[in-house]
Amino acid sequence: KNEVEQSPQNLTAQEGEFITINCSYSVGISALHWLQQHPGGGIVSLFMLSSGKKKHGRLIATINIQEKHSSLHITASHPRDSAVYICAVSRDQFYFGTGTSLTVIP
Amino acid sequence: ETGVTQSPTHLIKTRGQQVTLRCSSQSGHNTVSWYQQALGQGPQFIFQYYREEENGRGNFPPRFSGLQFPNYSSELNVNALELDDSALYLCASSRGTAYNSPLHFGNGTRLTVT
Repeated sequence: KNEVEQSPQNLTAQEGEFITINCSYSVGISALHWLQQHPGGGIVSLFMLSSGKKKHGRLIATINIQEKHSSLHITASHPRDSAVYICAVSRDQFYFGTGTSLTVIP
Repeated sequence: ETGVTQSPTHLIKTRGQQVTLRCSSQSGHNTVSWYQQALGQGPQFIFQYYREEENGRGNFPPRFSGLQFPNYSSELNVNALELDDSALYLCASSRGTAYNSPLHFGNGTRLTVT
């Protein structure tokens, strides 16, 4: 059983669409991280949050601690958003989801 | 501000050999954490070093070991390499324990074990 589940696994969107990626977890956490990984492997940390909502540009991340659920939203999606998005939770170690592969078509 | 750098970028080793991977943390960061990512999978947490001490470990055997130096750079050592050790190895640095601090990742070392 995975401690972190993401959905969907794969997502294709038209440029300009609003995108939502979901993450559910089963353990108590110190924080939840949303990461972006481009082909070639480099990972960029998008958000770290333990409550509420954070926004950075076109990206919004929310977390509901009681429901053990987080969402990553991308508004006005663009082809450069194409990447794998990974949810991870941390407590006394890290647990990672398997990622959501997003392709945004022009 | 210097980012996180890892070396080497690629490495090929033979089963049974030993390997050392290196990570230089971002300036001002005192924590380094290491991750293994098999092809097509999400990363898996190996361990974290905070102020030169191991501070948390994932489900990896003792043949995976590490060091953190006074300048907060770090090494990951893997003994008795197995074919399944073939993966991308990522390190991340953070200011304070990685469990509740933003992570800054290096570009990884791709290890192939034949």
